[in-house]
Amino acid sequence: AQSVSQHNHHVILSEAASLELGCNYSYGGTVNLFWYVQYPGQHLQLLLKYFSGDPLVKGIKGFEAEFIKSKFSFNLRKPSVQWSDTAEYFCAVNPNDYKLSFGAGTTVTVRA
Amino acid sequence: EAEVAQSPRYKITEKSQAVAFWCDPISGHATLYWYRQILGQGPELLVQFQDESVVDDSQLPKDRFSAERLKGVDSTLKIQPAELGDSAMYLCASSLDSGGRDGYTFGSGTRLTVV
Repeated sequence: AQSVSQHNHHVILSEAASLELGCNYSYGGTVNLFWYVQYPGQHLQLLLKYFSGDPLVKGIKGFEAEFIKSKFSFNLRKPSVQWSDTAEYFCAVNPNDYKLSFGAGTTVTVRA
Repeated sequence: EAEVAQSPRYKITEKSQAVAFWCDPISGHATLYWYRQILGQGPELLVQFQDESVVDDSQLPKDRFSAERLKGVDSTLKIQPAELGDSAMYLCASSLDSGGRDGYTFGSGTRLTVV
């Protein structure tokens, strides 16, 4: 079955550490890729998106993601996390402008 | 910043009862989505509207769930009768175009607990 896989269920790290969250998908053809974030008690918010062009995309709050087509991956990175980055992060894929499918999410806890 | 409005924020209902959720998308957004998010999982699409028409309800349990968007603006999702397994967060989202290329804007959700 076509799917979106996020490798880490829960990541715990200290402030100033680097963060990388893995995302792989199994859809063929053209895909639109997204990362959403859900801060505690808040609604899902768009972090960044990729449609075409430069495979390295920059989003809000210092996040970036790299699309590697050969690996069907769209990993999220941040060089130096802050306590306020504590949240749940969701990778989502929209193949051929069809419905948006989400991964299971990764909970990130940043310790001060 | 424009928001997707949902109500109620929380709902507790007994199994076999009927429950309804309401969503008001961002003005001008033709496409509206209802997602269900079970604890520990990502959101799963239940139904997608383009204006007042359903374009995808393949994952909607039609024996108990129904959704409507009569005037192509706000929408209602109903469950009748509710079952224990329906306990989840119900999210509404909207997008300007049907492909969602600008991303979806999500509401705060309705957390349903069936007891």
